[in-house]
Amino acid sequence: GIQVEQSPPDLILQEGANSTLRCNFSDSVNNLQWFHQNPWGQLINLFYIPSGTKQNGRLSATTVATERYSLLYISSSQTTDSGVYFCAVGKGGGFKTIFGAGTRLFVKA
Amino acid sequence: DAGVTQSPTHLIKTRGQQVTLRCSPKSGHDTVSWYQQALGQGPQFIFQYYEEEERQRGNFPDRFSGHQFPNYSSELNVNALLLGDSALYLCASSLLQDSGGRNTEAFFGQGTRLTVV
Repeated sequence: GIQVEQSPPDLILQEGANSTLRCNFSDSVNNLQWFHQNPWGQLINLFYIPSGTKQNGRLSATTVATERYSLLYISSSQTTDSGVYFCAVGKGGGFKTIFGAGTRLFVKA
Repeated sequence: DAGVTQSPTHLIKTRGQQVTLRCSPKSGHDTVSWYQQALGQGPQFIFQYYEEEERQRGNFPDRFSGHQFPNYSSELNVNALLLGDSALYLCASSLLQDSGGRNTEAFFGQGTRLTVV
C-alpha cells in the first residue's frame, strides 16, 4: 500500500515565525488533503490539493504530484496554530485515505 | 449545513461488550468512511460504504462491521471489545466521485472517543 511520511515529526516555533511541513508519498495519488487536528480531536480541512498551489490567508500548500510530495507553509504563526497537522492521500475510486503520522506543532507566545 | 455528525461523543464499555457508533454524513454526500485513531497516531482506515455496500476495507478484524442506510447515514459496530479498541473513532463523508470521475474532498465528524475498561 501507499506509504505517507511527514516531516518534521515535531516542531516548536516562536509566535510570528514561518514554517514548512512536508509530506512524501510512495505512489501516485489522485487525492491529497491537509488537516489540522485540534485538541478535541476534530480534523479541520485546510486544503484539498491533489496538485498545484493554493493559498488561504497565512496558509498555503503546494503539491508536486509527479515528484510525490506536498508542502504546507505556515506564515506568521500564532499560538492558535498549535496542534497536529496531517497529510492524507487517496488512490483510485472513492476515498480510501492513508494518513501520515502527523507533524506536532507548538507555537510559543 | 450541519456537516458530519457523530454520536455519541464519548463512550465507556467493558471488555467483551459490543458497541455501535453512528454517523450522519454532510448533506449531498453519498460515501461514508470510518477511521480509528489511537492516541498519538494518525487515523487508520477501517472501511468505506457506498450505496449501502462495503467497498473497501483496511486491516481490521471481522469484529469490526458496518452498515449504511438508504439516507446515507452509517453505523460502525465492534464486537467482543478489547482494551486495544480504545481510541477515537472518526467518520468521514464525501462524494464517491465528481462529474469528472475524480475523488472529492472528505469532511470529518468530531469523533467518538471509546474507552474500553
